[in-house]
Amino acid sequence: GAVVSQHPSRVICKSGTSVKIECRSLDFQATTMFWYRQFPKQSLMLMATSNEGSKATYEQGVEKDKFLINHASLTLSTLTVTSAHPEDSSFYICSARARIGNQPQHFGDGTRLSIL
Amino acid sequence: DQQVKQNSPSLSVQEGRISILNCDYTNSMFDYFLWYKKYPAEGPTFLISISSIKDKNEDGRFTVFLNKSAKHLSLHIVPSQPGDSAVYFCAASFSGNTGKLIFGQGTTLQVKP
Repeated sequence: GAVVSQHPSRVICKSGTSVKIECRSLDFQATTMFWYRQFPKQSLMLMATSNEGSKATYEQGVEKDKFLINHASLTLSTLTVTSAHPEDSSFYICSARARIGNQPQHFGDGTRLSIL
Repeated sequence: DQQVKQNSPSLSVQEGRISILNCDYTNSMFDYFLWYKKYPAEGPTFLISISSIKDKNEDGRFTVFLNKSAKHLSLHIVPSQPGDSAVYFCAASFSGNTGKLIFGQGTTLQVKP
């Protein structure tokens, strides 16, 4: 079946560091990828929709200068958390939807980000 | 504003019995609904979906029922197995299978041997 790979799985870094998270669709082309954030015991909240070759669409309340998204190819989207602070600590998950066919979104395994 | 709600944070069921997970939504414009299963430290895995033009979709042990008038959907798992123990999320979409997903809070299912 479809596989989405997300890397790294866990990051621990100091406040002020910028962190890049990669999301790759391994066996299908994805024109659209989605970035979610999940706080403990809460639902997945959509942060932004990443479209290949165009600017990402951010949800209300999400700072686009804080969370930089790049979707340079049909198999890769990246999320960069710039100048991360402790309040940015969370579980970040990406998903991808196949370019062809009526397929649901497939999710990566997430990245646990901890800012000290 | 929680548009998709899973009011039961947890459910415990005996192996072999039926598990029923419930989900309510507030926006009648949602036209596609999905259920995902999530194990700890992993991303959600797609289980089953249903379009708003249907009221039932079945796939093996999993059946999703949609009651549009009540804005309610449910996932039935029968027979339940210990390996089904996980967090289950329902999600809704406005634009068929292409749009962004709005997730519920999740229900933790425990199936006891």
